[in-house]
Amino acid sequence: DGGITQSPKYLFRKEGQNVTLSCEQNLNHDAMYWYRQDPGQGLRLIYYSQIVNDFQKGDIAEGYSVSREKKESFPLTVTSAQKNPTAFYLCASSIDRGGTSGANVLTFGAGSRLTVL
Amino acid sequence: AQSVSQHNHHVILSEAASLELGCNYSYGGTVNLFWYVQYPGQHLQLLLKYFSGDPLVKGIKGFEAEFIKSKFSFNLRKPSVQWSDTAEYFCAVNSGRALTFGSGTRLQVQP
Repeated sequence: DGGITQSPKYLFRKEGQNVTLSCEQNLNHDAMYWYRQDPGQGLRLIYYSQIVNDFQKGDIAEGYSVSREKKESFPLTVTSAQKNPTAFYLCASSIDRGGTSGANVLTFGAGSRLTVL
Repeated sequence: AQSVSQHNHHVILSEAASLELGCNYSYGGTVNLFWYVQYPGQHLQLLLKYFSGDPLVKGIKGFEAEFIKSKFSFNLRKPSVQWSDTAEYFCAVNSGRALTFGSGTRLQVQP
């Protein structure tokens, strides 16, 4: 079955540690996205990538980093510079690259819940 | 930057009641509009979408939404809700970058 796999599902981190969340898709989608979900705030865009070896900052990129070396993979690193990293992180992909003609119909993964102790 | 407002944060309805969830966006240009739903313990999934044409769009499970350009709105409706509609609903807008989501509305349907 095609889809998006996020791992780990749950992750605990001590303050000051970097942590990397994995996102893999086998849908052959061009674009991939990272969102952060907090209660009462909806989904906020962290980073997105429309093509391999290229990515753009979203609305809340500070304290995060990404890479897009392969079409199917878009890992997110939560660095120690992120002041409030405890959250639910969602990875998504879409078949097209967006734009005014793009559909941006997103397929989501199951999410990774990060807790900083 | 564009923004999406969902004014109802938590809605409680009895089964068979009618539903309308508000969504307003700030972007004035061409937009694509979406409603996504997150059922308890499940992935976010697409409920319906509007790209162009008939401003009244129908989605899965009897949901529909109406795009009113003059009001920058895309409200979600269902004539008669069921207990299984209990979920969180997110409105989203694409203006050419990535989707911008609203803060979500938690719907609780009581049997």
